[in-house]
Amino acid sequence: TQLLEQSPQFLSIQEGENLTVYCNSSSVFSSLQWYRQEPGEGPVLLVTVVTGGEVKKLKRLTFQFGDARKDSSLHITAAQPGDTGLYLCAGAPLPYNTNAGKSTFGDGTTLTVKP
Amino acid sequence: SQTIHQWPATLVQPVGSPLSLECTVEGTSNPNLYWYRQAAGRGLQLLFYSVGIGQISSEVPQNLSASRPQDRQFILSSKKLLLSDSGFYLCAWSEGNGYTFGSGTRLTVV
Repeated sequence: TQLLEQSPQFLSIQEGENLTVYCNSSSVFSSLQWYRQEPGEGPVLLVTVVTGGEVKKLKRLTFQFGDARKDSSLHITAAQPGDTGLYLCAGAPLPYNTNAGKSTFGDGTTLTVKP
Repeated sequence: SQTIHQWPATLVQPVGSPLSLECTVEGTSNPNLYWYRQAAGRGLQLLFYSVGIGQISSEVPQNLSASRPQDRQFILSSKKLLLSDSGFYLCAWSEGNGYTFGSGTRLTVV
């Protein structure tokens, strides 16, 4: 079974601060996705990283995939109240894995940005 | 563009009653379809996975079942609900590089 551990579980910061959320595993993934979810809604895909060491930027959000494709981080610069939500990472197994087609989700980081 | 529809948005059902949640996808053909359950503010637990009509993979033995009668339709069912079936149910489809989720169904079994 592939597991993904996210940290921290909860994060409460003031508007304008920077933060980093981590997603770690002992397993190798073919790709990793980050999602943001608001209460009562389904998660929305933010980014997919595929190559080890890859860095992607989405406005104030920077996503990095570890060199060994076992971990990832999400960094938010100058957080805003609109960034509040549950951030989930999900790892897609390697193609030859028996779990191919079924991603593993972390338990999420609940972020609160106070005005 | 691809869209996914899931209904109802909320549901309150008594213990022992049946359940039917429906999910349909538009704008794609032969998608991989999924049913997930989410505990409050936590990660997603995969319940069922389908790669095609009539093909269902059950991930967690439980009181629920799934069916895929049409290519773009995925149904989650139960004959008799338990209190422990309460939760937030999400339908999703994937083309391989991430999921597109429905808006979810909040099920409360009373």
